[in-house]
Amino acid sequence: EVQLVESGGGSVQPGGSLRLSCSVSGFIFSSYWMHWVRQAPGEGLVWVSRLNPDGSTTNYADSVKGRFTISRDNAKNTLYLQMNSLRVEDTAVYYCARGGLEPFDIWGHGTVVTVSS
Amino acid sequence: QSALTQPASVSGSPGQSITISCTGTSSDIGGYDFAAWFQQHPGKAPELIIYEVTKRPSGVSNRFSGSKSGNTASLTISGLQAEDEADYYCCSYAASSTYVFGTGTKVTVL
Repeated sequence: EVQLVESGGGSVQPGGSLRLSCSVSGFIFSSYWMHWVRQAPGEGLVWVSRLNPDGSTTNYADSVKGRFTISRDNAKNTLYLQMNSLRVEDTAVYYCARGGLEPFDIWGHGTVVTVSS
Repeated sequence: QSALTQPASVSGSPGQSITISCTGTSSDIGGYDFAAWFQQHPGKAPELIIYEVTKRPSGVSNRFSGSKSGNTASLTISGLQAEDEADYYCCSYAASSTYVFGTGTKVTVL
């Protein structure tokens, strides 16, 4: 079964850091682009970042550029999102999603990040 | 990276057809044959229902169809059913190798 499972969310003060993980199973992880997408409470979906299969090419939304870093460990079938200098407006459910010929075709269940003082 | 514009809500009776619009610019919707649509039920992760403007992933009902004209993509749901009540989001590839989602549309089945 194809599955994405996010973890690492939690509560943090403004200016703090968190690292999210997305553990993958059921497909050849090293062959796919991967994305992070977030959704603030009661709001819409917002694309955050993407990473190519070998980890050499990254793209970011302007709102997180310079603060967030996407990476992957293909040996561990895991995608990461290192989030630094967190702001209240980064509060959201963070989803990882698979890219490919059918983009965003598989999503995880999400992990909740709350940034509050 | 402004969000694509969707109507906040659309409603219809069972069996009817509804159409949701998604308006962008020549730098996103109008510039690429990428437009995708997602269905999201409350508390659940989004699910892909249309990609590359008109294509349906395996297992998605043929009651869902997509189209595009200029800078506007559209999703049509035919034969509306109670289970179609959900939030719907469009998405496009955009300039600088980024992606942009729509503002979202709540579909209500009357």
